[in-house]
Amino acid sequence: NAGVMQNPRHLVRRRGQEARLRCSPMKGHSHVYWYRQLPEEGLKFMVYLQKENIIDESGMPKERFSAEFPKEGPSILRIQQVVRGDSAAYFCASSTRGLRSSPLHFGNGTRLTVT
Amino acid sequence: DQQVKQNSPSLSVQEGRISILNCDYTNSMFDYFLWYKKYPAEGPTFLISISSIKDKNEDGRFTVFLNKSAKHLSLHIVPSQPGDSAVYFCAASGTNAGKSTFGDGTTLTVKP
Repeated sequence: NAGVMQNPRHLVRRRGQEARLRCSPMKGHSHVYWYRQLPEEGLKFMVYLQKENIIDESGMPKERFSAEFPKEGPSILRIQQVVRGDSAAYFCASSTRGLRSSPLHFGNGTRLTVT
Repeated sequence: DQQVKQNSPSLSVQEGRISILNCDYTNSMFDYFLWYKKYPAEGPTFLISISSIKDKNEDGRFTVFLNKSAKHLSLHIVPSQPGDSAVYFCAASGTNAGKSTFGDGTTLTVKP
């Protein structure tokens, strides 16, 4: 499967724990985006990364959330000290170029549940 | 402030008929618009897009219309098929389609 791979598919964490979500973009794609979907809502942009660089993190909460896309390996979205309000579906997407003509290819998401 | 709105949470259509999904936006800086389809437990899949310099784009059974003066776009599916039943998201962007603003989605049900 050459699509965007996200793992785990489901993640359960207790309040105060850390959540790590991983994303491997499509082969040949160097632009990675993270989106969050709360129940009954649309997807909200969080962060845009290229290899080793954060290009735009304007949608990321200022605290507890961080993202990286290292030279080797998957992109990681890290949520520290999770709270119930972090429960959501987190989608990773990739594209070949960061241009208007480059639609996103999404993974199947990680569903985070905070108990 | 929701910049992209899909005012109909759901739509039910008979197989073979036309489905029309609507989307309104408020930000004049948006100049590229996309529609994504999403099945349960899957990620969204790109369907069709339109640049602000056009007013219509067609791809098979799917046509997107853009009315810039009204800040309104619509997705037409004709003829509708049961496999089209899904949630449809409208998205708008500026220079980077990856950083898009999404509507809340419309759930389309196509009845056989």
